[in-house]
Amino acid sequence: DTAVSQTPKYLVTQMGNDKSIKCEQNLGHDTMYWYKQDSKKFLKIMFSYNNKELIINETVPNRFSPKSPDKAHLNLHINSLELGDSAVYFCASSQDVRGGETQYFGPGTRLLVL
Amino acid sequence: SQKIEQNSEALNIQEGKTATLTCNYTNYSPAYLQWYRQDPGRGPVFLLLIRENEKEKRKERLKVTFDTTLKQSLFHITASQPADSATYLCATADNYGQNFVFGPGTRLSVLP
Repeated sequence: DTAVSQTPKYLVTQMGNDKSIKCEQNLGHDTMYWYKQDSKKFLKIMFSYNNKELIINETVPNRFSPKSPDKAHLNLHINSLELGDSAVYFCASSQDVRGGETQYFGPGTRLLVL
Repeated sequence: SQKIEQNSEALNIQEGKTATLTCNYTNYSPAYLQWYRQDPGRGPVFLLLIRENEKEKRKERLKVTFDTTLKQSLFHITASQPADSATYLCATADNYGQNFVFGPGTRLSVLP
């Protein structure tokens, strides 16, 4: 059973388009995250949700909008895609947000904006 | 703002030797430090966590130390194997999960 799953695995699209990436976790965790890993492999947190509520929102363009319909799902919608959005996007989850809880990562979504 | 660095972008060692990776942080007093492994094309996988009041943690061939005076964590893999080749990331945050930051990673290659 896949603990944290993301769809799609690959996404190739044109500049200016709007796209969504979906994430689901079946671990019963309360907290979910979105990370961006750029071409230099730097992994940077974008958003964190705890029980469907936004708790971390790093400096991310407002073209990125997370949505958590329930605590098992955290989707990422991106408007007006730009070349610089090309990266690997990872979803993760943890039991709680506090105290060093282990984060479980999804396989990543490779986004290429042309 | 807090900054986290890992000693080298890449590290090559001979099979059977001990690999030592370094994680340094500045402008920060993290409550804990985690180490993850990332293989190409995959998400990071958690390995070990060490808290600020702990000096050392071990798990099989892995050992992590945490020196809050030096603001440094060392990650050791003893009797290294080619299968240990991967990128290793350190990550820290405070106890409220705020300021969660990953280091840039060290790509370890264990040569047969």
